[in-house]
Amino acid sequence: DTGVSQDPRHKITKRGQNVTFRCDPISEHNRLYWYRQTLGQGPEFLTYFQNEAQLEKSRLLSDRFSAERPKGSFSTLEIQRTEQGDSAMYLCASSLTGARETQYFGPGTRLLVL
Amino acid sequence: GIQVEQSPPDLILQEGANSTLRCNFSDSVNNLQWFHQNPWGQLINLFYIPSGTKQNGRLSATTVATERYSLLYISSSQTTDSGVYFCAVERGISNFGNEKLTFGTGTRLTIIP
Repeated sequence: DTGVSQDPRHKITKRGQNVTFRCDPISEHNRLYWYRQTLGQGPEFLTYFQNEAQLEKSRLLSDRFSAERPKGSFSTLEIQRTEQGDSAMYLCASSLTGARETQYFGPGTRLLVL
Repeated sequence: GIQVEQSPPDLILQEGANSTLRCNFSDSVNNLQWFHQNPWGQLINLFYIPSGTKQNGRLSATTVATERYSLLYISSSQTTDSGVYFCAVERGISNFGNEKLTFGTGTRLTIIP
């Protein structure tokens, strides 16, 4: 049983650079979520997809952030012109559609912006 | 938005002790999940429990939806139980269900050998 996978697991970049993260959900899951977690806090919702449609975006997702799920399978999260405040753990989760379905999380991508 | 509060924020226990973690939420919920975040950051599902009681080995959880709280019980704790425990909820007004989870700030549990 393959769980949610994320790549890379760690990323160090310089301020102003662009970064892209990938998430592969559990294969039969049509919902995919992105969350961000900063030190000492719980994860915060960024955005989610049902198949390829992006259904909701948090106001945390500034215009430097873009997420895609082009074929309804894997998803990418891109951050343009990174800032030091973007340093965080970026978590991806997936689930089946429905009111009583569990969200399963990947191992996360830890981003450090120098 | 919905507010989620967890208590205590930190808990240090001797191996073998029992513990109770609490999660209070401010509105009705469709979904409530308990997670354990290990030292590497992985969120591990413990329970999906919007109401009622469930048990899994040394862990059990109870949610009283009408009073807007949930409890996670850990019995005979082991050093591998150390980590941060999060409660996360989805508010109860969504039409389709399973939209965004709102997390509490967690309880950091340290088990001393």
